[in-house]
Amino acid sequence: EADIYQTPRYLVIGTGKKITLECSQTMGHDKMYWYQQDPGMELHLIHYSYGVNSTEKGDLSSESTVSRIRTEHFPLTLESARPSHTSQYLCASSPQGAGKTQYFGPGTRLLVL
Amino acid sequence: KNQVEQSPQSLIILEGKNCTLQCNYTVSPFSNLRWYKQDTGRGPVSLTIMTFSENTKSNGRYTATLDADTKQSSLHITASQLSDSASYICVVRENNNDMRFGAGTRLTVKP
Repeated sequence: EADIYQTPRYLVIGTGKKITLECSQTMGHDKMYWYQQDPGMELHLIHYSYGVNSTEKGDLSSESTVSRIRTEHFPLTLESARPSHTSQYLCASSPQGAGKTQYFGPGTRLLVL
Repeated sequence: KNQVEQSPQSLIILEGKNCTLQCNYTVSPFSNLRWYKQDTGRGPVSLTIMTFSENTKSNGRYTATLDADTKQSSLHITASQLSDSASYICVVRENNNDMRFGAGTRLTVKP
């Protein structure tokens, strides 16, 4: 079982609200990732980080932002949620080095009304 | 068009039966290919990883094959159990470390 946690697991929120999805890992991994996954569809990388103070945008354009102030913590923020943001958000981490296994959190299922 | 295509999209089998899931990819240059299992409401968990030179790899009742020439991989599940019900995701990594995810095959094992 991977030591990577996401909260909340489920969130229903109104349009225009600011939300932060939390992701924490206790494995000391340098690399962390955020993916967006719609039902029955593939995962899309929206943000990643190679370490503290490093953040990069992924393949899929996203209106969310991330920060990496501590190694173990990689929160994702939506300043103004919209119905189009409804999706599942998966956080993952991996050790340094090429080709290392990514360990995924349980995901946050977000519904914006 | 997704660079990683999986088939079938969904599959229902009886407990104890075998099944094979397919993954075709166009990703190039290729670094490695992983199969993940994703239980409902959970994050994916890695089952196998295969590099260019590997043709087959087993993890218990799961056996993955890879044909790097035809860019095809399969995941064979032997003697299926109810707990095998999940989505199985094929992930191909490029040499630049970008990962391409398939949409997954939704497997349901019925008693």
